[in-house]
Amino acid sequence: AQSVTQLGSHVSVSEGALVLLRCNYSSSVPPYLFWYVQYPNQGLQLLLKYTSAATLVKGINGFEAEFKKSETSFHLTKPSAHMSDAAEYFCAVSDYGGSQGNLIFGKGTKLSVKP
Amino acid sequence: KAGVTQTPRYLIKTRGQQVTLSCSPISGHRSVSWYQQTPGQGLQFLFEYFSETQRNKGNFPGRFSGRQFSNSRSEMNVSTLELGDSALYLCASSLVSGSDTGELFFGEGSRLTVL
Repeated sequence: AQSVTQLGSHVSVSEGALVLLRCNYSSSVPPYLFWYVQYPNQGLQLLLKYTSAATLVKGINGFEAEFKKSETSFHLTKPSAHMSDAAEYFCAVSDYGGSQGNLIFGKGTKLSVKP
Repeated sequence: KAGVTQTPRYLIKTRGQQVTLSCSPISGHRSVSWYQQTPGQGLQFLFEYFSETQRNKGNFPGRFSGRQFSNSRSEMNVSTLELGDSALYLCASSLVSGSDTGELFFGEGSRLTVL
C-alpha cells in the first residue's frame, strides 16, 4: 500500500530564508508525486508534479522539488521565503500513470513565515 | 475557464439530519473525486465517479454516498449526521480517469458544521 510521510507538522522560517519541506513516500511501483498548497478557507492548488520526466521539478511561485528514488523522497524547497508563502503544504502520491482520482496525501506541513 | 465549483460553501446542520453537497467540475472533466478534510485525520478519500459510475470508494460508512450526473456534475450525501462529520468536504475533478499524471483540480470546499 502506498503512503506519504511529511516530516514536521509545523515549519517556521524567516522571510528571505530557505524553505525546506520534507516528504517521503512508499510505493511498490514508480510513483507520480505531487505537492499541493492550501491557503486558509480555500481548496488545494497544485504547486508541482513529478511524472518521471525529470527528477528536478520546478513549480509555481518559485518552488521546486527533487525526486530521489534511492531516498524515496520528494522534498519541496524555495530559496527565499516570502510572507505570502505562509500556508499548509501537502505531499501526495499516485500509483498508476492514470490516477483513479485517489491521491494519497500526507498529513500536511503548516509553513509560517516570520518578518 | 471556470474552476471546480462547490455549493454551498458553508452550512450548519444538527445531529441526525442529512446533507447534500454539490460539485460542478471543470468543463470537459469527466472524473470527480470527493475528500473529507479534518484537523485530526487530514485529507481522506471518500469516492470517485467517472461517467456516472463509482470507480473507487474510501473507508467511510454507508451514510456517505454520492452520485454523478450525465453532465459530470456530482453530489454527495451524508445521512444521519454525527458530530464527527464536521469537516471541509473537497471536490476535485480531472480530465479523465486514467489521465497521464492524475492531477486533480480542487474546489474551495464545503465547510459542514454539525451541532
